[in-house]
Amino acid sequence: AQKVTQAQTEISVVEKEDVTLDCVYETRDTTYYLFWYKQPPSGELVFLIRRNSFDEQNEISGRYSWNFQKSTSSFNFTITASQVVDSAVYFCALSPIIQGAQKLVFGQGTRLTINP
Amino acid sequence: GAVVSQHPSWVICKSGTSVKIECRSLDFQATTMFWYRQFPKQSLMLMATSNEGSKATYEQGVEKDKFLINHASLTLSTLTVTSAHPEDSSFYICSARRQPGRWREFFGPGTRLTVL
Repeated sequence: AQKVTQAQTEISVVEKEDVTLDCVYETRDTTYYLFWYKQPPSGELVFLIRRNSFDEQNEISGRYSWNFQKSTSSFNFTITASQVVDSAVYFCALSPIIQGAQKLVFGQGTRLTINP
Repeated sequence: GAVVSQHPSWVICKSGTSVKIECRSLDFQATTMFWYRQFPKQSLMLMATSNEGSKATYEQGVEKDKFLINHASLTLSTLTVTSAHPEDSSFYICSARRQPGRWREFFGPGTRLTVL
């Protein structure tokens, strides 16, 4: 069975602070994808990143960075110098790479509030 | 980019009525579409996987007769909530993939259903 755990239900920080959203996953698959999505108040999911299980390189995109550690089954997401527009619910998700079984399993989500 | 639309964006209906939600891939052909349900402040839960021209595959615990899914063309899938009850009130989100083996899911903006 696959499982994604986002232990932080809600996080509230002041603008310009750095914030890290944790994601821990469980899977028996040897190859899989990991994702982060953003869900602003409008409700529409915004794709942020996809990671292959065999690529443990960390990635940076502007103020966003992701730390993938296979040894601890974690895929954490850091926002540097947070802004009010970053306020949203963030979901970590997992899916196997095996064709025909690629269903996304979402974590519970972390509601991030950036206060001015 | 790939765009997925949903119609309606919100709907209010009386208990006992049926509601149809449409999911369209506007600029690509989607061999596979997914339907998710999201209760307030909760995660997305996959309801069913819909492949064009074949019967939908429902997740465990999802009533097939209550949530009718039809994927009649490569650009349209519909979810019909039959005999809706207040507990069916939720945010319904669809997503689409171009091909079975492609990893990227393109999400629709969601439909908020309120059953009185």
